[in-house]
Amino acid sequence: GIQVEQSPPDLILQEGANSTLRCNFSDSVNNLQWFHQNPWGQLINLFYIPSGTKQNGRLSATTVATERYSLLYISSSQTTDSGVYFCAVKLTGGGNKLTFGTGTQLKVEL
Amino acid sequence: DGGITQSPKYLFRKEGQNVTLSCEQNLNHDAMYWYRQDPGQGLRLIYYSQIVNDFQKGDIAEGYSVSREKKESFPLTVTSAQKNPTAFYLCASTHWDSQNTGELFFGEGSRLTVL
Repeated sequence: GIQVEQSPPDLILQEGANSTLRCNFSDSVNNLQWFHQNPWGQLINLFYIPSGTKQNGRLSATTVATERYSLLYISSSQTTDSGVYFCAVKLTGGGNKLTFGTGTQLKVEL
Repeated sequence: DGGITQSPKYLFRKEGQNVTLSCEQNLNHDAMYWYRQDPGQGLRLIYYSQIVNDFQKGDIAEGYSVSREKKESFPLTVTSAQKNPTAFYLCASTHWDSQNTGELFFGEGSRLTVL
């Protein structure tokens, strides 16, 4: 099956710092999403981005499908950004199911 | 408000008992999913359903069963055959289309602890 790898696995930032999270995938995909899982376990949709670039406030994401990676940028980080960030992909022609990456655990400190 | 409702949020059961987790959505989504998450791990697909009265096994279906009698509902039963049932269970839904490109939305999850 498709392999989805995220880096770094863990990240500690000072409040106000910027960061880049990466998602690599092994096959052609037609759907890619980024989620933030808060400390209570809830998964929050950040971006639906099978290709191109999107921005939402301090967050932005870019997917280069032909090179099989996606990047999530967090600028001016806040303590509320802490949690786990997952990317999830849907394999082209692979049916209607998302495969999740291993996640990046982010902690933002004062 | 539109959304996905899972219940109960917390559940404790004795070993050997079957448990059913509820998932209801009012988003008029066609496809529904169950994922399992263990501490410090990612999400793994248990079962999914693209239309009423039809469902497919995911990557870790052993010890679980589902039904899809109504479009809005997709309950998951954790049977006594599941060897490590203690986990966080997440239900999700999306539109189903020929391009397989619907955005997935999640409920708040159910934490099952087997004593």
